[in-house]
Amino acid sequence: EAGVAQSPRYKIIEKRQSVAFWCNPISGHATLYWYQQILGQGPKLLIQFQNNGVVDDSQLPKDRFSAERLKGVDSTLKIQPAKLEDSAVYLCASSFHGAVMGYFGPGTRLLVL
Amino acid sequence: SQQGEEDPQALSIQEGENATMNCSYKTSINNLQWYRQNSGRGLVHLILIRSNEREKHSGRLRVTLDTSKKSSSLLITASRAADTASYFCATVLNDMRFGAGTRLTVKP
Repeated sequence: EAGVAQSPRYKIIEKRQSVAFWCNPISGHATLYWYQQILGQGPKLLIQFQNNGVVDDSQLPKDRFSAERLKGVDSTLKIQPAKLEDSAVYLCASSFHGAVMGYFGPGTRLLVL
Repeated sequence: SQQGEEDPQALSIQEGENATMNCSYKTSINNLQWYRQNSGRGLVHLILIRSNEREKHSGRLRVTLDTSKKSSSLLITASRAADTASYFCATVLNDMRFGAGTRLTVKP
């Protein structure tokens, strides 16, 4: 079974630039999560999708972050414009549905200079 | 905001000893999950315990859940150097939220 795929693995940008991350969940998984993990901290939930609908985006900084999951499969997370404090690892996870174990991708490490 | 809080923040033990990590949370849950994260890697699911369960085992892992105290513990028995990692609890109700984690170091 293929795992959760994420790209790119690493990204370095300057502040005020834009960046986008892509996630392809495990086939058949209806639930998709995006997390932000700052060094030394636990993952912080940014947004959760159930198919192509948003379940929870209460912690997504909507003035600069956006996410979509068209067709209920893969998803993109965008930051525009980036700030220094956005430097973190962005993790994507998926699960068959929202109440079972999650499978995590390798993450995208973002450095904002 | 984070949901769970792990305790201790860091734990250092010798190989062969047992390691116990605790997780406290604030709201109702459907289930609670424990994950491991090796440095620079993604999270790996270890075990899931449902809100109507009190204890669960998986190999060298033992998880307990006390919903009246809103707390859970993860016990790793006979630890190995390869168990060195950060361990996170995640609470699940309508979404899945993580605590800050316990950094475990197992010395050979």
